[in-house]
Amino acid sequence: DAGVTQSPTHLIKTRGQHVTLRCSPISGHKSVSWYQQVLGQGPQFIFQYYEKEERGRGNFPDRFSARQFPNYSSELNVNALLLGDSALYLCASSLGPSGTYEQYFGPGTRLTVT
Amino acid sequence: RKEVEQDPGPFNVPEGATVAFNCTYSNSASQSFFWYRQDCRKEPKLLMSVYSSGNEDGRFTAQLNRASQYISLLIRDSKLSDSATYLCVVNKGQNFVFGPGTRLSVLP
Repeated sequence: DAGVTQSPTHLIKTRGQHVTLRCSPISGHKSVSWYQQVLGQGPQFIFQYYEKEERGRGNFPDRFSARQFPNYSSELNVNALLLGDSALYLCASSLGPSGTYEQYFGPGTRLTVT
Repeated sequence: RKEVEQDPGPFNVPEGATVAFNCTYSNSASQSFFWYRQDCRKEPKLLMSVYSSGNEDGRFTAQLNRASQYISLLIRDSKLSDSATYLCVVNKGQNFVFGPGTRLSVLP
């Protein structure tokens, strides 16, 4: 079975632009969570979606938004990019709400903002 | 106080050594606990869940002390391939909180 997939793998954007990152969960998984990881730190929680509804939001500005589609894939959108948004963006899927179930991560999208 | 704290590391140990990682968490309501490993520039991979009774998987043993809000991971007979960053993960409601990680280098 395919694991979690993310696209693109790498992205370079300019300050002020917007970006859309995509994630497809493991087949049968209904929950997707997004994390931001900067070098030297653990992943920081951004959003969780379960059955297409937002189930959690981390301490990120409103420039960050996400949604989940009927096929359980998900998009993370970031508007008005700042240099500080440069990071590895990770998507994780789980069978159910991710506070209880094990999460499995995709390879991530490495975003560089110049 | 941070929600999840780990030994700052890095740990540099010779092959065959036993190494212990410590993690403390602040939310007494947390119910789910995990250890992940992350190789350089890769995604975190689930190493093991941590159960109240403690659990073992080959060379790896995880322990949970709810009273002290403390989790540990023990690696016995460490291999070169164990070199990675080890992340402690605790649930906060329906979401996960990751610790900053402890880097391990196993030396030949």
